[in-house]
Amino acid sequence: DAKTTQPPSMDCAEGRAANLPCNHSTISGNEYVYWYRQIHSQGPQYIIHGLKNNETNEMASLIITEDRKSSTLILPHATLRDTAVYYCIVTSIYQTGANNLFFGTGTRLTVIP
Amino acid sequence: DGGITQSPKYLFRKEGQNVTLSCEQNLNHDAMYWYRQDPGQGLRLIYYSQIVNDFQKGDIAEGYSVSREKKESFPLTVTSAQKNPTAFYLCASSPRTGTDTQYFGPGTRLTVL
Repeated sequence: DAKTTQPPSMDCAEGRAANLPCNHSTISGNEYVYWYRQIHSQGPQYIIHGLKNNETNEMASLIITEDRKSSTLILPHATLRDTAVYYCIVTSIYQTGANNLFFGTGTRLTVIP
Repeated sequence: DGGITQSPKYLFRKEGQNVTLSCEQNLNHDAMYWYRQDPGQGLRLIYYSQIVNDFQKGDIAEGYSVSREKKESFPLTVTSAQKNPTAFYLCASSPRTGTDTQYFGPGTRLTVL
């Protein structure tokens, strides 16, 4: 079951911030939001994850709304190498079986020179 | 260097033949996973293993088999019973199942002629 909704595609100018939205209106209290990206014909790369607080690492920032029904991944200064498909995934703490990560079709981000 | 390796990157087989895809990790992770990706689609879970000598079916296990005799290795066999085996296969590992971050290998693109 798809737990998240993302726009199929987005463009961003090189050097500008890329803001990728994700809706997860049915998220439950013990579920995390994960972001991965996949560059063409490569394995997915972990970016960041969070539960309810905003998170930042060397790659990106994750902003989660107070009601946790949506989030935004922010790439502060997009480069051409950030062109990829970005997946927003919801998973749960206590799940020890299958489907702990469900990859939908994601958002195809194209960074334009 | 620590990481996950998959070999070969490209594999061609004749219809009706079984084929085994290799996945090795030196991250000392307990859990390992196999996913399948079709063109323009997200990832779907085939099998996963939480510990050595244990594995569980994912969403699309029919026509596939796995083994987990060593912590470092989780080979996937695509059998002749798999009706549409041509796809991109991705292996991943994580310290445990549940919400632990999964780290992916580079993938194997299987083409059945």
